[in-house]
Amino acid sequence: DTAVSQTPKYLVTQMGNDKSIKCEQNLGHDTMYWYKQDSKKFLKIMFSYNNKELIINETVPNRFSPKSPDKAHLNLHINSLELGDSAVYFCASSQESRTEAFFGQGTRLTVV
Amino acid sequence: AQTVTQSQPEMSVQEAETVTLSCTYDTSESDYYLFWYKQPPSRQMILVIRQEAYKQQNATENRFSVNFQKAAKSFSLKISDSQLGDAAMYFCAYKRNTGNQFYFGTGTSLTVIP
Repeated sequence: DTAVSQTPKYLVTQMGNDKSIKCEQNLGHDTMYWYKQDSKKFLKIMFSYNNKELIINETVPNRFSPKSPDKAHLNLHINSLELGDSAVYFCASSQESRTEAFFGQGTRLTVV
Repeated sequence: AQTVTQSQPEMSVQEAETVTLSCTYDTSESDYYLFWYKQPPSRQMILVIRQEAYKQQNATENRFSVNFQKAAKSFSLKISDSQLGDAAMYFCAYKRNTGNQFYFGTGTSLTVIP
């Protein structure tokens, strides 16, 4: 069983479109994250949710919005996609204190 | 804010040899966790090893071991008997004991030469 799964693995779309990436974890963790990995492989935290509450929101454009219907899911919605949004997006989860983050397999988003 | 520094963007090692990847971090906390993650070309982020700051003993997982120097805020990863499958991007990460935020370094790309 996959611990953290995100779909789709690849997403190619045109500028201006709206898209979503889904993430689910079956580990019972209380916190989920979205990271963006750019072409230089830098990992940047975008959002995290703890018990349905947004606890981190770095300087991410308003076009990006996380949606968490329940503790096991954290979806990422992106409006009006831009070329600079092209990157790999990772979903992850963890339990407060004493555990590592578990990552999904990543979604490679390409905006053309 | 906590920062994690990996000063080696790229490293290479001969197959079967040993290599050490460096990581330093900045924190005022006394209790925290440190991790090394591996990201092969498949892009999956894989936990390699974990160290609790309150433990003096260095963590070891098979061919992977760390040199944790708490006073120096240093957390290096040693890979022994390097294999071709070790070729990957390696990320050092820090997490406080309280809270859920992880801080990642910029990564070290490891090449294993046959």
